[in-house]
Amino acid sequence: QVQLVESGGGVVQPGRSLTLSCAASTFSFNTDGMHWVRQAPGKGLEWLAVIWYDGSKVYYGDSVKGRFIISRDNSKNTLYLQMHGLRAEDTAVYYCARANRYGFKLDYWGQGTLVTVSS
Amino acid sequence: QAVVTQEPSLTVSPGGTVTLTCGSSTGAVTSGHYPYWFQQKPGQAPRTLIYDTTYKHSWTPARFSGSLLGGKAALTLSGAQPEDEAEYYCLVAYYGAWVFGGGTKLTVL
Repeated sequence: QVQLVESGGGVVQPGRSLTLSCAASTFSFNTDGMHWVRQAPGKGLEWLAVIWYDGSKVYYGDSVKGRFIISRDNSKNTLYLQMHGLRAEDTAVYYCARANRYGFKLDYWGQGTLVTVSS
Repeated sequence: QAVVTQEPSLTVSPGGTVTLTCGSSTGAVTSGHYPYWFQQKPGQAPRTLIYDTTYKHSWTPARFSGSLLGGKAALTLSGAQPEDEAEYYCLVAYYGAWVFGGGTKLTVL
C-alpha cells in the first residue's frame, strides 16, 4: 500500500520561507513522478509543480514560478517543496501526489499539510 | 495559462445518471491532454477516479466512467449513490503544466 505523508506545515510570516516534505512509503519512489497541489480554505485545487522520477525535469504553475522549488531525494524516498517569499494567498493545505515517471497517471495522494501565512 | 471550466454545481437523483464536463480555453480537450477526474469529500484529500480520459484505478467504482464529449472531457455517473455527493475536479495536462478546473459540487438528492 502506497503511503504519502506530508510534513513541515505551520504558521509563517509573510516574506519568509518554508520547506515542505512528502515521505513516500513505496518501493518504487525512484521510478515515480511526483506533484504538489494546494487548496486554499474553501477553494478549489490548484496545481503547483511536477518533478520527473529522476529529477531531470520540473515544471511549475504560473502562480509559484520563481518562488517555489520542487526537488526530491530518492535515497530518502522524499519529495520537497521549498517556498520563498510567502504571501497571505499561499495559505492552503498542500498535498503531494504520486504519478508515473513523467508525471502522468496520478494515483495516490497524501493527506496534506496546512501552511498559514500570517503576521 | 489555460483556463479549465466545469459546471459549478449539479444535482442528481439517487439511482440517476449525471454527466460532468471539463472544457479548455485553448480549444477542444483531447486524449492528448490526458484528462483526469478526482473526487473530494469535505475534510478529505482528493481521490483519483479517472486518468488518461477513460482509465479507472482499482478503487474506482464501476458506476463512474470517463469519456470525451463534444470537445470536452466528461465524467458520467450511472446509478448515483448517496456517498457520491462530493466535489469533483478535472485536471488537464498541457505541455509543461497541469491545470485544474474549478470543481463541480455534485448533490445527490
